[in-house]
Amino acid sequence: IAGITQAPTSQILAAGRRMTLRCTQDMRHNAMYWYRQDLGLGLRLIHYSNTAGTTGKGEVPDGYSVSRANTDDFPLTLASAVPSQTSVYFCASGAGVRDEQFFGPGTRLTVL
Amino acid sequence: AQSVTQPDIHITVSEGASLELRCNYSYGATPYLFWYVQSPGQGLQLLLKYFSGDTLVQGIKGFEAEFKRSQSSFNLRKPSVHWSDAAEYFCAVGARGNTPLVFGKGTRLSVIA
Repeated sequence: IAGITQAPTSQILAAGRRMTLRCTQDMRHNAMYWYRQDLGLGLRLIHYSNTAGTTGKGEVPDGYSVSRANTDDFPLTLASAVPSQTSVYFCASGAGVRDEQFFGPGTRLTVL
Repeated sequence: AQSVTQPDIHITVSEGASLELRCNYSYGATPYLFWYVQSPGQGLQLLLKYFSGDTLVQGIKGFEAEFKRSQSSFNLRKPSVHWSDAAEYFCAVGARGNTPLVFGKGTRLSVIA
């Protein structure tokens, strides 16, 4: 079934540890996105990529990095996790920046 | 830059009653507008979208939305709410060019018997 997969589903992480959240889409979409969702704050864009090889910063990029080596994968890395990065993380993709976005099921991350 | 406001954080309606969720956007030109729904523990799913043309847009699950340029609004409506509609609803606005969508903070819908 075509769509977006995210891994892991959930993770508990000690502060200071490095963590990579994985995101893979099989729809050959050009654009991909990472959001975090926190109660009362809605969805906030962390980083995005308009096409393979390019990335851009969103509203809350600090403490996160991304890469887009190919069309399908868009991993999000927390170099040194902090408790304020406890959140639910959603990956999304779209044919273009202005098009409908398709969302993955999310990763629930807890940083202690 | 574009922005979007959902004035209502939480709305409770009775099953069978009509529903209207408000969305106001800020953008100088005609935007692209979207409504998404998020069921508990799930990702977001597109309900409907407006790019151009007819200002009344039909979506899935019996939802519709009307684009009103004069009011900078894109309110979501449903004539008769079902208990399964209880969820979080997000409005999003996109601009022309390579700017990603901007999402509102969401409106949580509760449905009571």
